[in-house]
Amino acid sequence: QIHLVQSGAEVKTPGASVKISCKTSGYSFNRNAIHWVRQAPGQRLEWMGWMNSDKGNTIYSQKFQGRVTMTKDTSASTAYLELSSLRSEDTAVYFCARDDGGSYLTDFWGQGTLVTVSS
Amino acid sequence: DIVMTQSPDSLAVSLGERATINCKSSQTVLDSSKNKTYLAWYQQKPGQPPKLLISWASTRESGVPDRFSGSGSGTDFTLTFSSLQAEDVALYYCQQYYRSPLTFGQGTRVEI
Repeated sequence: QIHLVQSGAEVKTPGASVKISCKTSGYSFNRNAIHWVRQAPGQRLEWMGWMNSDKGNTIYSQKFQGRVTMTKDTSASTAYLELSSLRSEDTAVYFCARDDGGSYLTDFWGQGTLVTVSS
Repeated sequence: DIVMTQSPDSLAVSLGERATINCKSSQTVLDSSKNKTYLAWYQQKPGQPPKLLISWASTRESGVPDRFSGSGSGTDFTLTFSSLQAEDVALYYCQQYYRSPLTFGQGTRVEI
């Protein structure tokens, strides 16, 4: 069975950074890219970017360019999202999601990680 | 960016009744060279991540009940519930995965 398990909730102050992990199992990690999507309270789902789990190359949404970094630890089958210079508008649930195999379709999702940014 | 717009924002349907949700993209999501339409539908229940229901505009994912169906082409798409069940109460999102950034509709809340 395919699972994506994310790290726990975080509370950060404005200006800080947060790093969320997404541990995968049930498939070969480097065969499927990982997407990151966030959902602010009452807002639509917002795609942040994509990381090739084999080569590590990334595509970031222009909205987050300069603040977002997606990385991986292949030996641990884990992907990471780091978001810096946090502001209150970054308060959201952050999801990792597996790419189905090259088409940018997301087929399996993590449970989500709540990040609260508050002074 | 491709803007995805759903209608209605919310929908109340009687058990067993048919229901439809519409989704319109601001640009085509059809790759004519591959004859593939990059449109997906997701279901999201409270406190859960989105669940993929339909990909390629009309392909139902494994395990998804056949009362769910997707249709449409180009820029206009529909998700249809042939007979609404209590467990279908959720938020539904369409998404285009044709062009970066991937974008989602605003969601449609389905209630009984």
